[in-house]
Amino acid sequence: AQSVAQPEDQVNVAEGNPLTVKCTYSVSGNPYLFWYVQYPNRGLQFLLKYITGDNLVKGSYGFEAEFNKSQTSFHLKKPSALVSDSALYFCAVRDYYGNNRLAFGKGNQVVVIP
Amino acid sequence: DAGVIQSPRHEVTEMGQEVTLRCKPISGHDYLFWYRQTMMRGLELLIYFNNNVPIDDSGMPEDRFSAKMPNASFSTLKIQPSEPRDSAVYFCASNDYPAPTGELFFGEGSRLTVL
Repeated sequence: AQSVAQPEDQVNVAEGNPLTVKCTYSVSGNPYLFWYVQYPNRGLQFLLKYITGDNLVKGSYGFEAEFNKSQTSFHLKKPSALVSDSALYFCAVRDYYGNNRLAFGKGNQVVVIP
Repeated sequence: DAGVIQSPRHEVTEMGQEVTLRCKPISGHDYLFWYRQTMMRGLELLIYFNNNVPIDDSGMPEDRFSAKMPNASFSTLKIQPSEPRDSAVYFCASNDYPAPTGELFFGEGSRLTVL
């Protein structure tokens, strides 16, 4: 079964500094990878996804993520963090074999310090 | 588009009572999912529907939980009887893309507290 690991509970970063949120995955075949963001008392919002093609994927709000097959990773990045980026970030994966189950990681709390 | 609509946003009830959570997916979306979020277990998929038919309910914790989708625009998740360990945020999500490439669109959630 597919699974995702987000090794850090919380990521603290100063405003204006680069932000990285780490994600590694495990699937049987080719992965389909997603990042979501959750603001307090809100539902999850889709940020970006990797399906195929270019390993660098660009998404909403200036976020991007890099797919690395050899390291089975899909780290989320933003060149310059904003205070408003403070939220809970979830990585998720599906496998290729038609399974509509989306497996989520436990989430990373990002705190951007002014 | 109004997005996925869930009600109630907050529910406080006593142990043993019946709880019904409601969801209206985005119009035209063929897939509907129910997730549960807790601090201890994170996000768990409870059940999902395709064209109103339950496809995978292996995440439903026990017989106290049931879900229905009587038509394309409405689904319910029922807990009877409720227990304190059911306290969580329950999310409904929908999508219109066949697996496995489509992203999900989430509602704002229903926060359930069982006393």
